[in-house]
Amino acid sequence: SQKIEQNSEALNIQEGKTATLTCNYTNYSPAYLQWYRQDPGRGPVFLLLIRENEKEKRKERLKVTFDTTLKQSLFHITASQPADSATYLCALFHTGRRALTFGSGTRLQVQP
Amino acid sequence: DTGVSQDPRHKITKRGQNVTFRCDPISEHNRLYWYRQTLGQGPEFLTYFQNEAQLEKSRLLSDRFSAERPKGSFSTLEIQRTEQGDSAMYLCAPSLDSGGWGTGELFFGEGSRLTVL
Repeated sequence: SQKIEQNSEALNIQEGKTATLTCNYTNYSPAYLQWYRQDPGRGPVFLLLIRENEKEKRKERLKVTFDTTLKQSLFHITASQPADSATYLCALFHTGRRALTFGSGTRLQVQP
Repeated sequence: DTGVSQDPRHKITKRGQNVTFRCDPISEHNRLYWYRQTLGQGPEFLTYFQNEAQLEKSRLLSDRFSAERPKGSFSTLEIQRTEQGDSAMYLCAPSLDSGGWGTGELFFGEGSRLTVL
């Protein structure tokens, strides 16, 4: 069966450290992968998109990698800040459906 | 702020009642998606529109659910004969896939939270 797996346990890190979140998928051949941030009670907010032929994408303190062999994407936040505390969702777009399929998200808590 | 408004933000209803949610996107968003999200889970796809045409529906969308997007602008999602299992956040997400399917970000609204008693 198709699965998108994100660590359900919260990730707790100290301010200034690099946060690394993982998104693993099985039985998908995604053309694109997107990452979103979601704060409690709010809708998700788009952060980054990476294509299947791209290995890495950066935006300010954010970096996303995409390894189609390992079927994994890593999401990094460098120099993390308490304001980065939120749930981060990965989402795949695959040609079998014209809509994003989301993982369940990982909650990040950055301690001051 | 994505500029997408959803109404109502919160709705509490009794089992068996009908509810309707409305989404007002920015006018140039040609695609519009509806998702449902329960606590601790990611958004689950329900349906989407290309302009006014409803092109795909998830099997999650039972016969009690209906969605419309007249004139390709605002959209409504109606749930008839609500059940307690319908309690969730209903998210509207317009998109502008100018580069082809999947390349556009989704501009989520703040959602409409439904509680069925």
